[in-house]
Amino acid sequence: EPEVTQTPSHQVTQMGQEVILRCVPISNHLYFYWYRQILGQKVEFLVSFYNNEISEKSEIFDDQFSVERPDGSNFTLKIRSTKLEDSAMYFCASSEIGAGGRSEAFFGQGTRLTVV
Amino acid sequence: AQKITQTQPGMFVQEKEAVTLDCTYDTSDPSYGLFWYKQPSSGEMIFLIYQGSYDQQNATEGRYSLNFQKARKSANLVISASQLGDSAMYFCAMREDTGFQKLVFGTGTRLLVSP
Repeated sequence: EPEVTQTPSHQVTQMGQEVILRCVPISNHLYFYWYRQILGQKVEFLVSFYNNEISEKSEIFDDQFSVERPDGSNFTLKIRSTKLEDSAMYFCASSEIGAGGRSEAFFGQGTRLTVV
Repeated sequence: AQKITQTQPGMFVQEKEAVTLDCTYDTSDPSYGLFWYKQPSSGEMIFLIYQGSYDQQNATEGRYSLNFQKARKSANLVISASQLGDSAMYFCAMREDTGFQKLVFGTGTRLLVSP
């Protein structure tokens, strides 16, 4: 069964460092997302990506964050200068269909980011 | 703005019993979808069941069913014949069908199934 793959599963980084979280969405999916879950809290939307550009972003997704689909298969989230409060589980998701119609988002296993 | 409310932070159920996890929502969009995801202690998000706002019948997927009451704006998850492996966090989520399909999640309910 096709699945969304995220690497690494766990990343520890020093405050102020740049990190890149990687995702390989399901191959025929067109819509890609990043979500964040701070430990013990709810899952929060960060950004959606369609047709090689950001389609929507939340207020969490400030200038420190960027996304890219560099080669047609990978989908990356970059945090330029990490802060302690960026420590969270980051989920990549993809879905097949856009507006209207049933299409569940398939989630990756998550990357647990720890900023020290 | 879309909003999801899960009022039960924790629920307990005995193995083989049925349990209902509550979810209410708010949206001004007439077309939307409601989802339930399971998050075990390992952390991944597992899709369980979907209900579209125009679906006439309540969704069912194996032991999972969704009690959809549109007028009350509720979408409760019913798990029948609970198993020990059902112990996990359960998140209700909504997607408005306009825009780019982001999911808005509730705060979750932790379900513990006892032998």
